[in-house]
Amino acid sequence: DSGVTQTPKHLITATGQRVTLRCSPRSGDLSVYWYQQSLDQGLQFLIQYYNGEERAKGNILERFSAQQFPDLHSELNLSSLELGDSALYFCASSVLSYNEQFFGPGTRLTVL
Amino acid sequence: GENVEQHPSTLSVQEGDSAVIKCTYSDSASNYFPWYKQELGKRPQLIIDIRSNVGEKKDQRIAVTLNKTAKHFSLHITETQPEDSAVYFCAAAGTASKLTFGTGTRLQVTL
Repeated sequence: DSGVTQTPKHLITATGQRVTLRCSPRSGDLSVYWYQQSLDQGLQFLIQYYNGEERAKGNILERFSAQQFPDLHSELNLSSLELGDSALYFCASSVLSYNEQFFGPGTRLTVL
Repeated sequence: GENVEQHPSTLSVQEGDSAVIKCTYSDSASNYFPWYKQELGKRPQLIIDIRSNVGEKKDQRIAVTLNKTAKHFSLHITETQPEDSAVYFCAAAGTASKLTFGTGTRLQVTL
């Protein structure tokens, strides 16, 4: 157990819908990262937040957005869902912006 | 941006043999190189990492080597055991701190 928690564990929804994935970092970690893992794309970095502010952005679609709240938990919002958005979404956290990252258990999103 | 290539994509070894996985990166500014192990349906777990000021790091049966000049780094697992079977990912990060992952190596340790 890395200490990073994610909810929900599984999510099944339909195309066009919107979902919110939640992540709580390890106690004391200020940085949160979101990754997408699909079968054909491997692990792709989406976005990083550090102490409430966006720090780095990867190949995140405009339909996706994220935020980090004052209590340091983070949410990833996915809207206008498409079949291709089906994937495992991982959150990771680290103490500082440039440090070891520890992954949560992931949320498996299935878009039907 | 950074590009990380990982080889081989699959690797089968007999129990007790050694396994080596190699990665190359493109951005000379990258200075942090972690390795993750991921079992089926589970989270990636950090198993070892190395920073650019070090050429080699070892932790029991696992070692990582880094050649900054050639921009490649490798994972070495000695005395492999069935529980080492998993997918292994290398990654690289620079000043932006975001990790760029390799495509993964599926390691199978056979009895």
